[in-house]
Amino acid sequence: EIVMTQSPATLSMSPGDRATLSCTATQSVSINLAWYQQKPGQAPRLLIYGASTRATGIPVRVSGSGSGTDFTLTISSLQPEDFAAYYCQQYNNWPYTFGQGTKVEIK
Amino acid sequence: QVQMVESGGGVVQPGSSLRLSCEASGFIFSNYAMHWVRQAPGKGLEWVAVIWNDSRRKAHADSVKGRFIISRDNSKNTLYLQMNSLRDEDTAVYYCVRDPRKSSNYLEYWGQGTLVTVSS
Repeated sequence: EIVMTQSPATLSMSPGDRATLSCTATQSVSINLAWYQQKPGQAPRLLIYGASTRATGIPVRVSGSGSGTDFTLTISSLQPEDFAAYYCQQYNNWPYTFGQGTKVEIK
Repeated sequence: QVQMVESGGGVVQPGSSLRLSCEASGFIFSNYAMHWVRQAPGKGLEWVAVIWNDSRRKAHADSVKGRFIISRDNSKNTLYLQMNSLRDEDTAVYYCVRDPRKSSNYLEYWGQGTLVTVSS
């Protein structure tokens, strides 16, 4: 099983800040990496697939990068609606696995 | 619009069985693979199972293999998860999720989930 590790666990930021979230895999997943956002009481929402392709309706301030084992999600200027939990997930091998999540909170 | 509505959750005792359903609408159900993903209270996400569009291939997480079975009825636009020998650690919100393709890929559209509580 591929283990996905996200860092940091919590990111305390202010609106307008640049947020950088990391995700590392224990073996290569090529670019088969997705990012999801989840707000309290809601289902997750797809943000990024193929490591860097934005899903429909996702703003350009949200971007993804990386390949192989190291990936990054960047939010260039945090908006109030961006404060949430974020999960990475590999879909290169079964069983698909998620990182433990990064919570982006207001400082 | 793409919509999935899960049902069948509830409170059950350890060792019992439960079947979850997910009714899909707004797209051609038989053209897409489907997944179940769960989230224990206050915890992260765990992928549970996937089934290809034509049911020819399925996969289950090791944590549920031999106890849970994913299936679908394309004539009813419905996805199922048969859950047997339930354990306390199966307590979670179970999400029905649509794949972008016929075979297994990422998790594109999510339902709102149904809560399963396993407790004596």
